[in-house]
Amino acid sequence: GESVGLHLPTLSVQEGDNSIINCAYSNSASDYFIWYKQESGKGPQFIIDIRSNMDKRQGQRVTVLLNKTVKHLSLQIAATQPGDSAVYFCAENWNNDMRFGAGTRLTVKP
Amino acid sequence: GAVVSQHPSWVICKSGTSVKIECRSLDFQATTMFWYRQFPKQSLMLMATSNEGSKATYEQGVEKDKFLINHASLTLSTLTVTSAHPEDSSFYICSATRQPYEAFFGQGTRLTVV
Repeated sequence: GESVGLHLPTLSVQEGDNSIINCAYSNSASDYFIWYKQESGKGPQFIIDIRSNMDKRQGQRVTVLLNKTVKHLSLQIAATQPGDSAVYFCAENWNNDMRFGAGTRLTVKP
Repeated sequence: GAVVSQHPSWVICKSGTSVKIECRSLDFQATTMFWYRQFPKQSLMLMATSNEGSKATYEQGVEKDKFLINHASLTLSTLTVTSAHPEDSSFYICSATRQPYEAFFGQGTRLTVV
């Protein structure tokens, strides 16, 4: 059987709006952070990364913000599209050890 | 980008049998590979870290005799679920690291034990 666990937090946005997905990480020594997108039944796909010596990094339609003071990471998606619907995970990396956050399910309404 | 191939993508097996899952880095050498397990609507849970040529490092609570990991070469790691039971049914994902930090994921394997 399968475990009964917590349901993922969900975020529902209208197509064209901006999305902000948040993540709290646990290890203050983590020096590298990544956001992944996971579609149903598939492995995670890399979206954007940021090193601990930065507090902001921009990609195409995505921006990652890092607040080391409160150990918080956020992913901003501009002009959200239906194809952005997926589960998003943050990951922290320390000493070649990667740990994932809880994940957020993003649903984009047309 | 780099490619990690995981096989099979899905498998159904009878309770008590063993299942082997392969993870290959196709275009780079990976000294370290990771195995994750994912239950529905949950995050990826690190099971073990697989290092080429040495024993895997298992996370607390993961039975090493149940989940056998072999990292025989720089491009291949295998996870064998021994004497599988229905509670082992899950989605298993591997990742391979290209130094210094880049991690690439396999497509995942859906294991169903009946």
